[in-house]
Amino acid sequence: EVQLAESGGGLVQPGGSLRLSCAASGITFSWYWMSWVRQAPGRGLEWVATINQDESVKRYADSVKGRFTISRDNAKNSLYLQMNSLGGEDSAVYYCATEEYFRFDHWGQGTLVNVAS
Amino acid sequence: QSALTQPPSASGSPGQTVTIFCTGTSSDIGSSNYVSWYQQHPGKAPKVLLFEVTKRPSGVPDRFSGSKSGNTASLTVSGLQTEDEADYYCTSNVGSSSVAFGGGTKLTVL
Repeated sequence: EVQLAESGGGLVQPGGSLRLSCAASGITFSWYWMSWVRQAPGRGLEWVATINQDESVKRYADSVKGRFTISRDNAKNSLYLQMNSLGGEDSAVYYCATEEYFRFDHWGQGTLVNVAS
Repeated sequence: QSALTQPPSASGSPGQTVTIFCTGTSSDIGSSNYVSWYQQHPGKAPKVLLFEVTKRPSGVPDRFSGSKSGNTASLTVSGLQTEDEADYYCTSNVGSSSVAFGGGTKLTVL
């Protein structure tokens, strides 16, 4: 069974930084493109970033470009999202997901990021 | 990166058929074979219902079907059931560099 478990969310002040992690099990992690998708409270889903298997391709939504960095460690079956210069608009549940041809097949349960003073 | 346009709500009675539309542009849906639909129940992670416009992952009932015409994709739910009450989202690639989500449609089963 595929399991994706996000962690690292919490309360952070505006302008602060946070690093999210996603631990994968039940899949050969190194085979998969991986993505982060977020959902602000009561709002819709928003694609954030995508990374390919060997980190040679990284894509970002315009809303996070230059502030967020996606990375992975295949030896640890883990995906990361480094988030800097956080603002209220970044408050959301962050999901990690496997991606294949722009399709998000497997999702974690999400981790909540709250940017507030 | 603009969001795709979905109606905020839709509804139907059990057994009925409901169609949800997702409108984009020639830069996304109009030029894409990679349109997907997701179902999300409250407090849960989304689940993929359809991919590549019309394909269903294993385990998804054939009551769910998809199509595309021009810049608009659609999700049709036939034989509506109470458990179909959820939020539904469409997505499309935008060229090779990004993914656009629709704003979501809340489906109510009356």
